[in-house]
Amino acid sequence: AQRVTQPEKLLSVFKGAPVELKCNYSYSGSPELFWYVQYSRQRLQLLLRHISRESIKGFTADLNKGETSFHLKKPFAQEEDSAMYYCALKLQGGSEKLVFGKGTKLTVNP
Amino acid sequence: DSGVTQTPKHLITATGQRVTLRCSPRSGDLSVYWYQQSLDQGLQFLIQYYNGEERAKGNILERFSAQQFPDLHSELNLSSLELGDSALYFCASSVDGVLYNEQFFGPGTRLTVL
Repeated sequence: AQRVTQPEKLLSVFKGAPVELKCNYSYSGSPELFWYVQYSRQRLQLLLRHISRESIKGFTADLNKGETSFHLKKPFAQEEDSAMYYCALKLQGGSEKLVFGKGTKLTVNP
Repeated sequence: DSGVTQTPKHLITATGQRVTLRCSPRSGDLSVYWYQQSLDQGLQFLIQYYNGEERAKGNILERFSAQQFPDLHSELNLSSLELGDSALYFCASSVDGVLYNEQFFGPGTRLTVL
């Protein structure tokens, strides 16, 4: 069955430190993966998707099919990065529903 | 606001009751998705409609139903409510039919069942 695992519920780092939010997936098909972010009192929004291989707000994520991972990284965390981060997997087969991980709450301390 | 809108923002009701949550997608988006976010289960996909027709079903209980109307707004009906139905219900919309298209989320409706 398809599953997305984010092993850390909470992650706390200091400003300027590197940050890595872990995401592992289980899916027999060809995965399409996303990171969504929810800042305080804002709606859930797309941060980045693996297919575009882009860097958004300094964040990058590389799909590692061998390790079935899609970890989100940023070399120097900023206070404004504090938010809930959700890793999501889109399933093949006509529908575009997303399977979400349970999320990681990132706190960047000054 | 041309984004996804959801009403009401908050809903408090009693067990056994029935409620209707409403979602208006972004202009031009044909697909609407419903998700439930609870503390223990996280964000779970419930159901998707595309241009008025059901396209995919997830972990949606039989007590729940949804529909998408000709003007593309959608309603999620929850009946015989139980305490465990208390959650945030999100609606998202997308253009669909486009490779790698993005889902845009609404602000959510917080349902509290007492």
